[in-house]
Amino acid sequence: SQKIEQNSEALNIQEGKTATLTCNYTNYSPAYLQWYRQDPGRGPVFLLLIRENEKEKRKERLKVTFDTTLKQSLFHITASQPADSATYLCALPVSGGYNKLIFGAGTRLAVHP
Amino acid sequence: EAQVTQNPRYLITVTGKKLTVTCSQNMNHEYMSWYRQDPGLGLRQIYYSMNVEATDKGDVPEGYKVSRKEKRNFPLILESPSPNQTSLYFCASSLSGGPLGSPLHFGNGTRLTVT
Repeated sequence: SQKIEQNSEALNIQEGKTATLTCNYTNYSPAYLQWYRQDPGRGPVFLLLIRENEKEKRKERLKVTFDTTLKQSLFHITASQPADSATYLCALPVSGGYNKLIFGAGTRLAVHP
Repeated sequence: EAQVTQNPRYLITVTGKKLTVTCSQNMNHEYMSWYRQDPGLGLRQIYYSMNVEATDKGDVPEGYKVSRKEKRNFPLILESPSPNQTSLYFCASSLSGGPLGSPLHFGNGTRLTVT
């Protein structure tokens, strides 16, 4: 069955540095991958979608890469700020069923002043 | 303002007492879904709906019911809640549930405690 792995340990970085979060998946080739941000007690908020034929996608200080050979997506936040502190989730469609997204458990990012 | 509205935000109930969590979206989205989120397990899909009168099971549907009589509303029903249904619940909607990967818009969640 499909499995998504995100680093369960919190990532602590200094303000102004680049944060890099990893999403690894197994057992299939998804047509796309999505990244969400979740603040404590709130619903996830969509950030970026990258398709299987795209290597990289950017939005302001955010950059996502998608390596279908390694079965991995990297999520980068450049010039990080304390306001970027949150949990970041990656999500993939279930193989054979676009109607179901499976989510990783998320990685918590803490940006320190 | 485009949004998904869930009610209530917090709910404490006892085992066996039927309850309904409401969900409404104002974006004319076709696709709606319910998730539960538990520590260490992430978001798991309970039920989804591709459109009015079209619902289907997600990964953890046992103990839940849904209905989609109108496009904007997608209530989650627990006929006989049990303590293992204590969780944080999210309703979400998107333009479509097809292969384009339309982003999900989430509500702010309902924290349910069943004693």
